[in-house]
Formats: sequence, structure tokens, C-alpha cells
Amino acid sequence: GQQLNQSPQSMFIQEGEDVSMNCTSSSIFNTWLWYKQDPGEGPVLLIALYKAGELTSNGRLTAQFGITRKDSFLNISASIPSDVGIYFCATRLTFGEGTQLTVNP
Amino acid sequence: EAGVTQFPSHSVIEKGQTVTLRCDPISGHDNLYWYRRVMGKEIKFLLHFVKESKQDESGMPNNRFLAERTGGTYSTLKVQPAELEDSGVYFCASSHPGQIYEQYFGPGTRLTVT
Repeated sequence: GQQLNQSPQSMFIQEGEDVSMNCTSSSIFNTWLWYKQDPGEGPVLLIALYKAGELTSNGRLTAQFGITRKDSFLNISASIPSDVGIYFCATRLTFGEGTQLTVNP
Repeated sequence: EAGVTQFPSHSVIEKGQTVTLRCDPISGHDNLYWYRRVMGKEIKFLLHFVKESKQDESGMPNNRFLAERTGGTYSTLKVQPAELEDSGVYFCASSHPGQIYEQYFGPGTRLTVT
């Protein structure tokens, strides 16, 4: 089946640093989604991308839909402690394995 | 607007027992999805209801899993008999009619089979 390769698996950063994570696939997709899961909660949609090349921001978050339609990245600028959680990329009903982000104050 | 709710939040059962998980979607959301995440792995799609009909059940692992959505409102996912590999967090999500990408997730049910 379709598989999304998400990296890195985990990140440990200092508050204030910028973060970048990405997702790749061997298949072409029409939609890329980025979710965040806080501990004890379900994933919450952060950004939805619907067009190749699209660059979308949501506050300190920026995500891009790759031109090849096989990849996407998510950047978080000036990280804060509440950014801690697991970030998932997804396309329709397929999810990546997640990036566990830890932010040290 | 109330979010997606799931019950129970945790369940610990022995191998061979039966467990039923419940999901109440956001009111008016025709689309309802079940997912499972085994620790450290991806969130894996199980099935998709549109109202009371199963639109896609390609992710259901085997016939020990039975999902229902009678009346097109809440849904149940029954595992019978449970096996050790069924352990994980079961998420339910719902979305507006005609919108399958932007889903709202419940907090999940953590199932442990011992």
C-alpha cells in the first residue's frame, strides 16, 4: 500500500530554535496535510495543502506541497514549549509515523 | 460545538475477551473514520462510514473486527476475540459531508490486550 516516510523520527531542540520536518513518498498525491497530536489528545489539523508548489502559513508554522507532488515539509519558527508533541504528515487516509518534538525551555 | 468523543479512554482486557469501543462524531458530520496507532508506528486507517454505510473498510485487519454505525450517528468498533497484537490507540474522526480531508479526531481509546 501507500507509505509516507516521515523524518526525523524525533527532535530535541532549545526554545527559540527553528524546526524543519518532512515527508516523502514514492507515490503522487493531490493533498498533503499536517497534524499535531498533544499528549492524551487526538491529532489536530494544522495545515492543509491542495496544490503542488503551494506554500501556506499558520502563525509560526509554514508548510509546502512539493513540486513533484511526492513530498511536503513543515517548518516551525521560534519554537516555544507548547510546540511539544507529535507531528504527523498525511495524505487523505494515509499517515506518516510521526515526528516527536521536544522543546527544552 | 462539541468535539468527537470516544469511550472508554482506556481498556485493559485479556486475550480472548471482547471489547467494544464507541465513537460519537461531531453533530452533522456524515463521514466517520476509525484509525489505529500501534506504539511508534503510523496512524493506520481502518474504515470509513458515510452516514450508516461502510464506504471503505479496506483497512480492517481481519474478521475479528466489526464496526457498526446504526442510524448514522455514533459508531462502535468491536474486537472479538482480542489478540495481543490488537493493542494500540484507536482513534475515531469525523468530517463534514463532502469533506474527506479535513478530519476532526477524538482523543482515542488506548486498548491493552494482556
